[in-house]
Amino acid sequence: ETGVTQTPRHLVMGMTNKKSLKCEQHLGHNAMYWYKQSAKKPLELMFVYNFKEQTENNSVPSRFSPECPNSSHLFLHLHTLQPEDSALYLCASSQEWGYSNQPQHFGDGTRLSIL
Amino acid sequence: DQQVKQNSPSLSVQEGRISILNCDYTNSMFDYFLWYKKYPAEGPTFLISISSIKDKNEDGRFTVFLNKSAKHLSLHIVPSQPGDSAVYFCAASGTKAAGNKLTFGGGTRVLVKP
Repeated sequence: ETGVTQTPRHLVMGMTNKKSLKCEQHLGHNAMYWYKQSAKKPLELMFVYNFKEQTENNSVPSRFSPECPNSSHLFLHLHTLQPEDSALYLCASSQEWGYSNQPQHFGDGTRLSIL
Repeated sequence: DQQVKQNSPSLSVQEGRISILNCDYTNSMFDYFLWYKKYPAEGPTFLISISSIKDKNEDGRFTVFLNKSAKHLSLHIVPSQPGDSAVYFCAASGTKAAGNKLTFGGGTRVLVKP
């Protein structure tokens, strides 16, 4: 059983829709992450939040908008996405950003399909 | 350009034998390396890690070896079990000053045959 829960597990949306992905961690961690995994490509970091403050934005298009209201919750708001945004979106958490020896714990992901 | 590469997309091994997974990196600023395991429809789970000041770390059936001069690390699983069938990702992290986000390899799919 994972300490990081992502909802929904699957999402199909049109290019003009607005939807949100949700992530919740029950591990008492202070850093949370969004990753994207496209077909046949490595996991790519999108955003990092540390103690609710965004510390990393890996040149992500503005149609992806993250929100971190507290250390336990992370959202990814989606609007006017493109077909190439279809991918698996993974959320992760760790004790604190900036410490390599603290492994990140991942959720099971949201499989997103853009029609 | 990929900084972390796993050149073998798949590996098949008989139960009880050794599985060896390889990973190469190019960035000399990486100072910590991790292996993650992923089953279908689940997120990656942390398996084992190694600091750049070490050359070996062992945890039960899993051992990670690091060769800094060659910028190469490997994961040994012995003995391999059918439950080890999964995709394994190598990841590397730099120092805080160097931006210590995790950089992942493309993964190696391991199949352990009974």
